[in-house]
Amino acid sequence: EPEVTQTPSHQVTQMGQEVILRCVPISNHLYFYWYRQILGQKVEFLVSFYNNEISEKSEIFDDQFSVERPDGSNFTLKIRSTKLEDSAMYFCASRDLAGSSYNEQFFGPGTRLTVL
Amino acid sequence: DQQVKQNSPSLSVQEGRISILNCDYTNSMFDYFLWYKKYPAEGPTFLISISSIKDKNEDGRFTVFLNKSAKHLSLHIVPSQPGDSAVYFCAASGGSGNTGKLIFGQGTTLQVKP
Repeated sequence: EPEVTQTPSHQVTQMGQEVILRCVPISNHLYFYWYRQILGQKVEFLVSFYNNEISEKSEIFDDQFSVERPDGSNFTLKIRSTKLEDSAMYFCASRDLAGSSYNEQFFGPGTRLTVL
Repeated sequence: DQQVKQNSPSLSVQEGRISILNCDYTNSMFDYFLWYKKYPAEGPTFLISISSIKDKNEDGRFTVFLNKSAKHLSLHIVPSQPGDSAVYFCAASGGSGNTGKLIFGQGTTLQVKP
């Protein structure tokens, strides 16, 4: 069964450093998302990406964040200068736009980001 | 901004019994609702969904009920099994310019006791 994959599973970084979180969405999916979950809190939407551009972003997704689809398979989230409060689980998700399941998003296993 | 709320942080039921997980929402523009199940150190796994034009959707042991007038939905699991023990998230999407983004509730931890 196709699945969303994410690397690395755990990233530890120093405050102020740049990190890139990587995702490989399901191959025939066209919509891509990043969410995050701070420990003990709800899963929060960060950004959606379609047709090679951001289609929506949340207030959390400020100038320190960027997303890219550098090739036909990868989808990345970059945080330019990490802060302590960026420590969270980051989930990538993808969605098909056809068929009866077009509203359903499929999530990757997540990357745990720890900022020291 | 608590557009989707799950007011019960935890629920404990006996194996074989019914589990009922509840979710309330405030945004009347939501037109699609989903339930996800999450184990520790894993991503959310899609379970079942319902469109706002329906009031019930069933898939095996899982049934989701939607009461639009009350802005309330619930997930019923019958019969509950120990393997169902996980965190369950309600999520909603919809509205103008819908990009499909999901708004999640806080989650309910279900424990099914053998």
